Amino acid sequence: QQQVKQSPQSLIVQKGGIPIINCAYENTAFDYFPWYQQFPGKGPALLIAIRPDVSEKKEGRFTISFNKSAKQFSLHIMDSQPGDSATYFCAASIGRYKLSFGAGTTVTVRA
Amino acid sequence: EAQVTQNPRYLITVTGKKLTVTCSQNMNHEYMSWYRQDPGLGLRQIYYSMNVEVTDKGDVPEGYKVSRKEKRNFPLILESPSPNQTSLYFCASSPAGTGFGGATDTQYFGPGTRLTVL
Repeated sequence: QQQVKQSPQSLIVQKGGIPIINCAYENTAFDYFPWYQQFPGKGPALLIAIRPDVSEKKEGRFTISFNKSAKQFSLHIMDSQPGDSATYFCAASIGRYKLSFGAGTTVTVRA
Repeated sequence: EAQVTQNPRYLITVTGKKLTVTCSQNMNHEYMSWYRQDPGLGLRQIYYSMNVEVTDKGDVPEGYKVSRKEKRNFPLILESPSPNQTSLYFCASSPAGTGFGGATDTQYFGPGTRLTVL
C-alpha cells in the first residue's frame, strides 16, 4: 500500500513552463517531506525538503508548497529547462530513519 | 572520492539460489539503507541501519536479510530469491549529526544493482 500518493505519472512542458507535481498522504505522523530527482541510470538525489511547520520553501527554481490541513504537498519547477527532464519522487518520513516514497513523476521539458 | 559502491551492478540468477549484494561507503556515515525501485511503485525501503549492529525493517523487508558488522558495509542478502524480487536495488548512506540525521538528511545513493530472478 503506497503511503504517499503522487500524481501525475508523467507530464510534458515547454521550456520556461512550470511543471507541478502533487503528493498526498494520510499518516499525520509524517514529519519530513523531501523531494528526490533521478536521472536515467542514476540513483536518486535529494532536491529539496520541507517540514510540516512551513507552508512554502524555495531553493533556486524549485518550490515546495505544503498544506498541512489537506495533507498535501507539491513541487513546482519554475522556468523549467530541458536539463530538468528527470523523474521526481516525493517522500515522507516518520522520525529519522524510515522513508516512504511516492510512485514517481517523469517530467519532460521540451526545448 | 566520496561514494557509495554496490556490487554486482547486474545479476541474473535463478529461483532459490542464495545471493548477496554488497554495499560500501567511504564517508564514515552512520546511517545506511536499502531500497528497491519498481515501475509504478517508486522506491520502497527494505531495511535500514542506524549504526553498527543496529538494523530495522523498512516497508518491504520480507525475503531479505541484512547485517551491519562494520560501519562502511551493509550487505543485502536474499537467501531464497523469487521472481517477485526482480528489481533495481539501491543502497544509500547519510551522516548523523547534520540536520536531523538518518533518512532525513542528505542520502547518498549508490549506482544501483539490477537483479533478475528467473
